[in-house]
Amino acid sequence: GAVVSQHPSWVICKSGTSVKIECRSLDFQATTMFWYRQFPKQSLMLMATSNEGSKATYEQGVEKDKFLINHASLTLSTLTVTSAHPEDSSFYICSARDAGIRQYFGPGTRLTVT
Amino acid sequence: DAKTTQPPSMDCAEGRAANLPCNHSTISGNEYVYWYRQIHSQGPQYIIHGLKNNETNEMASLIITEDRKSSTLILPHATLRDTAVYYCIVRFGSSNTGKLIFGQGTTLQVKP
Repeated sequence: GAVVSQHPSWVICKSGTSVKIECRSLDFQATTMFWYRQFPKQSLMLMATSNEGSKATYEQGVEKDKFLINHASLTLSTLTVTSAHPEDSSFYICSARDAGIRQYFGPGTRLTVT
Repeated sequence: DAKTTQPPSMDCAEGRAANLPCNHSTISGNEYVYWYRQIHSQGPQYIIHGLKNNETNEMASLIITEDRKSSTLILPHATLRDTAVYYCIVRFGSSNTGKLIFGQGTTLQVKP
């Protein structure tokens, strides 16, 4: 099946700093990419949807100035958590969909803000 | 996207079939039923999807009722490695704006 990678797999940063997470589709072109967040013992929550070359569409309640998403190519999307705070600590998961209807998920990035 | 309802948890004996139900009574004609699973601390893994007909692949079978208001995911011979949270999701298939919205899923515990 199609592969989606994320980097880094885990990151620890200090409060107030910014962190960038990369998401790549390795063997297909992703016309649409998604970013999810998951807190312990909870389900995945969709944060935003991005189409290549377009601005991301954020879900209600997600701060677009805090979670910057760039989808510059058909194989790469990045999520930057700006001015991170401890409450931003979470498991961030990206997902990619090709022109069809199947959607694949990355392995996730564990962010801890100290 | 239509909402789904799943039991919060289920147990299954190793080697037996695991049948995971899902209700999606408000599903519309163009919405697909997707199943994913998530093993602890990993990204969700695609299992299967379908529109109207029953589907089978190397991982599982998907049985969709004729009125499409419910479906069942069948893992024919469950193993301990199938212990995971299973998510049933419906999504509009032909639109690039369709989103996978996760509910709480069913925690399947496969026991020896």
